[in-house]
Amino acid sequence: SQQGEEDPQALSIQEGENATMNCSYKTSINNLQWYRQNSGRGLVHLILIRSNEREKHSGRLRVTLDTSKKSSSLLITASRAADTASYFCATQGRGGTSYGKLTFGQGTILTVHP
Amino acid sequence: EAGVTQFPSHSVIEKGQTVTLRCDPISGHDNLYWYRRVMGKEIKFLLHFVKESKQDESGMPNNRFLAERTGGTYSTLKVQPAELEDSGVYFCASSQILGQAMNTEAFFGQGTRLTVV
Repeated sequence: SQQGEEDPQALSIQEGENATMNCSYKTSINNLQWYRQNSGRGLVHLILIRSNEREKHSGRLRVTLDTSKKSSSLLITASRAADTASYFCATQGRGGTSYGKLTFGQGTILTVHP
Repeated sequence: EAGVTQFPSHSVIEKGQTVTLRCDPISGHDNLYWYRRVMGKEIKFLLHFVKESKQDESGMPNNRFLAERTGGTYSTLKVQPAELEDSGVYFCASSQILGQAMNTEAFFGQGTRLTVV
């Protein structure tokens, strides 16, 4: 599997339902971030969780991080049609010459039906 | 405050031609990154500038790609000569220097969709 691999690759739900996306990674990280990309647009930063944090909330978003399993999940509660987008997790590694460099997964395509 | 802007938004060129992509980061951001997403694959890191210096260019695919950031402001990414496999979306991102830029949010541009035919 690849660094920052997400599952499912595609998720289709009804408005009002919750959406859960998972991400796995391989190396030690400094933090893990989630981004959203609407069709044809740029990447929008959603939330950042540090390696020493286990859970973080931002509005309808809830992110968990399990460094022992090298995995994270993004939960979107009470989804809306406007949440339809591609969601990417990205890890920022420890050390190295390029601080701030992000390693992305392939993303999850979320479709929320009205 | 203006976000990260990229020009052009789309570019269609023939194999063998040259294309130059431009990125204007958020004013005051010292870190500038280039990423690329080839169709169906993950977004991959290309290189990282800190001001005008290349901090890490380990992701540059080959010597047909040349990135510059003269004066530490905007950056250009030139592909010369372009090949079919260079097609994809090229993203630029910027972030402030905070300590060593760890745990900082990166702001992304809309991307440039490059199609080589």
